[in-house]
Amino acid sequence: ILNVEQSPQSLHVQEGDSTNFTCSFPSSNFYALHWYRWETAKSPEALFVMTLNGDEKKKGRISATLNTKEGYSYLYIKGSQPEDSATYLCAFRNDYKLSFGAGTTVTVRA
Amino acid sequence: KAGVTQTPRYLIKTRGQQVTLSCSPISGHRSVSWYQQTPGQGLQFLFEYFSETQRNKGNFPGRFSGRQFSNSRSEMNVSTLELGDSALYLCASSPGPGASSGNTIYFGEGSWLTVV
Repeated sequence: ILNVEQSPQSLHVQEGDSTNFTCSFPSSNFYALHWYRWETAKSPEALFVMTLNGDEKKKGRISATLNTKEGYSYLYIKGSQPEDSATYLCAFRNDYKLSFGAGTTVTVRA
Repeated sequence: KAGVTQTPRYLIKTRGQQVTLSCSPISGHRSVSWYQQTPGQGLQFLFEYFSETQRNKGNFPGRFSGRQFSNSRSEMNVSTLELGDSALYLCASSPGPGASSGNTIYFGEGSWLTVV
């Protein structure tokens, strides 16, 4: 069983504030770390695929960093907007499957 | 470019029945995986198909099966349904098999199955 843990489980952010949250994963047998954004009744939206230690990726106001040696990744949201409200999932990729964390649910208050 | 398409979106079945769910991957993608989400368990890997062959299977009973066709479309089947099979079933597609670790994996909207 691959333990992928995300914290916090949920958070509330005031519109305009920035926030970040964590994904921890096994540091051995690493292939890739995926981040998804999932809104209710929609398909999970792929945000980033990160493969190299020290990777930093950015998409608009959202960015992510990766530390494979210590087994963690951070996702950052800069200047949160109501449309950023969603559950953010990370998934550790081994050879053939994704092992998901339980997600961090972000609620942005106007 | 069309995304991953899953049908049906919602269905209700009775215990003991069987169900077949369908997934059409993104055009050109040859790898299809299936995941189950239940409230208490989160997303769990069911199986992965590539070039009509099941490459890997998760820790699910034999009642769960699947197949992939030559056009990469995939179906999964659950026989002798139990109440605990009520879940969201997600299909994912990617260009290549698991070893292509840098590929983005795209998900469909899922099929909601309720077993009564």
